[in-house]
Amino acid sequence: DAGVTQSPTHLIKTRGQQVTLRCSPISGHKSVSWYQQVLGQGPQFIFQYYEKEERGRGNFPDRFSARQFPNYSSELNVNALLLGDSALYLCASGLSQADTQYFGPGTRLTVL
Amino acid sequence: AQSVTQLGSHVSVSEGALVLLRCNYSSSVPPYLFWYVQYPNQGLQLLLKYTSAATLVKGINGFEAEFKKSETSFHLTKPSAHMSDAAEYFCAVSRTGGGNKLTFGTGTQLKVEL
Repeated sequence: DAGVTQSPTHLIKTRGQQVTLRCSPISGHKSVSWYQQVLGQGPQFIFQYYEKEERGRGNFPDRFSARQFPNYSSELNVNALLLGDSALYLCASGLSQADTQYFGPGTRLTVL
Repeated sequence: AQSVTQLGSHVSVSEGALVLLRCNYSSSVPPYLFWYVQYPNQGLQLLLKYTSAATLVKGINGFEAEFKKSETSFHLTKPSAHMSDAAEYFCAVSRTGGGNKLTFGTGTQLKVEL
């Protein structure tokens, strides 16, 4: 079975731009979570969605938003990009919000 | 609030030697604890997790960890290091056994030398 997939793999943006990252969960998984991993640090929780509803939000500004679609895939949007948004963005999926979360390979975002 | 502290951002061992990666937790409720491994340019892979069923937890690739409430620790060990173990290791804590809304430590980079 395919694991969690994320697209794109890499992207480069400039300050002030907007970006959309995409995640496809493992087939049958209904929970998707997003994490931000800045270089040299551990991942930080951004959002969790389950059954298309937000079930948790980390300590991130309103520039960060997400949604989950009827097929359980998800998008993470970041507006007004800052240099500090440069990071690896990880998506994780699980059968439910309380089940084991499986991580994708991540999207590497560079903001210049 | 929950948190984990990983002592030692870099650990170097010889191939065949014992691997010991340290993690201490802080939690106001019974914690669920996890160890993840991250290979270069890859996502996170779950090594093992503690969900209160047993204090000694065995994971994949020969790793194990022991939950010690009196020491608030959950150290990761492997009896004999292999070159393929070189990676970054993260300890994490959650309020659920599945690893919902994980709080991660800052990571320990493991180097294995010949």
